[in-house]
Amino acid sequence: ETGVTQTPRHLVMGMTNKKSLKCEQHLGHNAMYWYKQSAKKPLELMFVYSLEERVENNSVPSRFSPECPNSSHLFLHLHTLQPEDSALYLCASSQEEERPLTFGAGSRLTVL
Amino acid sequence: QKEVEQDPGPLSVPEGAIVSLNCTYSNSAFQYFMWYRQYSRKGPELLMYTYSSGNKEDGRFTAQVDKSSKYISLFIRDSQPSDSATYLCAMPEGGFLSGYSTLTFGKGTMLLVSP
Repeated sequence: ETGVTQTPRHLVMGMTNKKSLKCEQHLGHNAMYWYKQSAKKPLELMFVYSLEERVENNSVPSRFSPECPNSSHLFLHLHTLQPEDSALYLCASSQEEERPLTFGAGSRLTVL
Repeated sequence: QKEVEQDPGPLSVPEGAIVSLNCTYSNSAFQYFMWYRQYSRKGPELLMYTYSSGNKEDGRFTAQVDKSSKYISLFIRDSQPSDSATYLCAMPEGGFLSGYSTLTFGKGTMLLVSP
């Protein structure tokens, strides 16, 4: 496995369900990110972890809960989501400030 | 005023055409500039990464930065159907020695290259 791997690739859930998205990076990077991509909108930064510590949380509703157990893994726990939360959720990693991010393929989430 | 403006397209061109994709930005502190390409149902992949003003060439792709005008461009020569994708410009706002990069993205321009 190389790069940034996200699972599952597709997820359909009801508004009362609890699910988790998983991300794993094999690049030895120190920072990991969650982005949300919705149609006709720029990518929205949700969370940043640097050296396993959350350093940014961009006013994301509490129904999204991130977890970073180590520098290679990142989770996004989902509960009581709304239909407007349907989007592509992208995980990324990077090594240093002002450097490019490497993205995973994304998890396509549909909330019914 | 939005921080990064990018025409969403779609931009349709015939195979072999020269394509010009552009972004304008408002934050004069941006020093690094990136172009990502995103195919349908895939994550963005880094295409070009430049620092400050000037041109950078990589094969059929040329990235151009004009910091005085806060304007960046991506040129694609001899465009191919395989270039059909959404192209996103991005600029990082990492704090000095912060260890991480906060990218500000444009909305992306969808490019369609027809055979």
